[in-house]
Amino acid sequence: QQPVQSPQAVILREGEDAVINCSSSKALYSVHWYRQKHGEAPVFLMILLKGGEQKGHEKISASFNEKKQQSSLYLTASQLSYSGTYFCGTEAEGAQKLVFGQGTRLTINP
Amino acid sequence: DAGITQSPRYKITETGRQVTLMCHQTWSHSYMFWYRQDLGHGLRLIYYSAAADITDKGEVSDGYVVSRSKTENFPLTLESATRSQTSVYFCASSWDYSYEQYFGPGTRLTVT
Repeated sequence: QQPVQSPQAVILREGEDAVINCSSSKALYSVHWYRQKHGEAPVFLMILLKGGEQKGHEKISASFNEKKQQSSLYLTASQLSYSGTYFCGTEAEGAQKLVFGQGTRLTINP
Repeated sequence: DAGITQSPRYKITETGRQVTLMCHQTWSHSYMFWYRQDLGHGLRLIYYSAAADITDKGEVSDGYVVSRSKTENFPLTLESATRSQTSVYFCASSWDYSYEQYFGPGTRLTVT
């Protein structure tokens, strides 16, 4: 079953913070985050594993709440280059494959 | 050049025709995947392969066929194309299913 992302879209000004959430109804082993710019292929951001630590990548970090089967992606002091659609991919325990959410469109304005 | 490539990048075909989309990677990744991307649906898995000669269905496999005789190639065939298969198709590869996936540039397929 496809994970649910929220919000579906968000518009920010450069320098503002954003949080994107990803929820699953299944027990998860891992959560992957990808960013896709218009007309391009998705690009990997980070993986969070069950029992693992919160991950960070420059000003982009993420957390994984195993009890709630939720992950959140945090974008701090957003830059114009952060614009794009963000996808979470969830791997249920024993599934050996990812199921992606419908995406969150992030627009950063000057 | 190392990487993952897809061909063709754009394809227009007619309903009922057979179409094959090609995917080639140079990293010797074990896992390869085919996704389709449609507005509002995100990325949906069509088929994946854990190694040469090992393939398995994803969530939207009806109407598609794959093969993987060599580690580096993973072609996707639409046996009899339908308008509902109009989409952008992405191929991806990774060392393992829990590792980061590297996506190809995509093939935009239009079925008329």
